[in-house]
Amino acid sequence: DQQVKQNSPSLSVQEGRISILNCDYTNSMFDYFLWYKKYPAEGPTFLISISSIKDKNEDGRFTVFLNKSAKHLSLHIVPSQPGDSAVYFCAASFFYGQNFVFGPGTRLSVLP
Amino acid sequence: DSGVTQTPKHLITATGQRVTLRCSPRSGDLSVYWYQQSLDQGLQFLIQYYNGEERAKGNILERFSAQQFPDLHSELNLSSLELGDSALYFCASSVNQGRVNEQFFGPGTRLTVL
Repeated sequence: DQQVKQNSPSLSVQEGRISILNCDYTNSMFDYFLWYKKYPAEGPTFLISISSIKDKNEDGRFTVFLNKSAKHLSLHIVPSQPGDSAVYFCAASFFYGQNFVFGPGTRLSVLP
Repeated sequence: DSGVTQTPKHLITATGQRVTLRCSPRSGDLSVYWYQQSLDQGLQFLIQYYNGEERAKGNILERFSAQQFPDLHSELNLSSLELGDSALYFCASSVNQGRVNEQFFGPGTRLTVL
């Protein structure tokens, strides 16, 4: 049973538009959430995180929104750029925990 | 370049065999983490070592084992390999037992079991 779900395996967006990647989780004890980006032939790289005491965290073009009651988070990329084309993983953990749970990933394609 | 190196990049072997994957963490990092990514699956946390000692265990099979050596490099040993063990295996490192955003991932080893 997947504790972290990313129900869209892929997403295509035009350059300059907004990309919205979604993530749902089932364990209400998770209180720290992260997004990782992965290019082919490379390891994942950390993108942005949010703790459960916040509902929004912003870093440049990237914003993560957290809706704890719905157990849902989303990553917004505005404006999308072709270099953003990658697989995006959502991950959840307990704030001081070590057992990090990743979703299956969403492949984002930003079309020029 | 994250500073984490993994060898080999690719490994093809047969069922029943045993392989060893190697990871060198970033200079100064004491923690090493191993993850498995199977086809269409997210990264599954396997095991963590900190300064030579096992600190956390995830969904690691009994056929798998790991160790961290005094020079802080780590090896993941996979034995009695099955077709389902084919996956990408990532190593990550961090300075301490930090939160996951402080982990730096290597490029991975792609294991194919035939």
